[in-house]
Amino acid sequence: DAGITQSPRHKVTETGTPVTLRCHQTENHRYMYWYRQDPGHGLRLIHYSYGVKDTDKGEVSDGYSVSRSKTEDFLLTLESATSSQTSVYFCAISEGGGSYNEQFFGPGTRLTVL
Amino acid sequence: QKEVEQNSGPLSVPEGAIASLNCTYSDRGSQSFFWYRQYSGKSPELIMFIYSNGDKEDGRFTAQLNKASQYVSLLIRDSQPSDSATYLCAVPPPGTYKYIFGTGTRLKVLA
Repeated sequence: DAGITQSPRHKVTETGTPVTLRCHQTENHRYMYWYRQDPGHGLRLIHYSYGVKDTDKGEVSDGYSVSRSKTEDFLLTLESATSSQTSVYFCAISEGGGSYNEQFFGPGTRLTVL
Repeated sequence: QKEVEQNSGPLSVPEGAIASLNCTYSDRGSQSFFWYRQYSGKSPELIMFIYSNGDKEDGRFTAQLNKASQYVSLLIRDSQPSDSATYLCAVPPPGTYKYIFGTGTRLKVLA
């Protein structure tokens, strides 16, 4: 299995609080991704990174920010959590990032915003 | 129109039958296509990828690609109860670093 960990694995928080999710990889892959998965919507891309300090928005980026200061870590921050951000969050990594490179997924973080 | 479409299912097949899962995509320039399997409560894992028109076989799995009609299929032969999962189709838009996922098809293999 690809060396990807996510922390925390489960979190319950209250509306309006900041939340940071961490993705850590030991594969030295250049590309990292944050997705959310909700019933009826499948996996939707929030943000992705194509190198240290290089990030870009995905299709559902509103209310989220990311940072990548080291190759191995990609942080997802909810500045002020809302109930609509209750979801399962997956991190993924890819060696090449282009059309011919597969993505490997972390175990996921289940976030509940009350 | 969603860029990658899948029937959400559930698709129910008896054990030993062939399960056929379909995915259509809107970007005619797409070059590669990925199938992921996701068990309930788990993360997606890659089953197969295909780049060229035609069929690609790997064990009990066959991916079929028809670029002219813009669809890709996954066939699972001799379906087993352990194949019961959600199958996700992923299509990278040309020239990008990202995937677009379909919503997934839930497969139930009945023993």
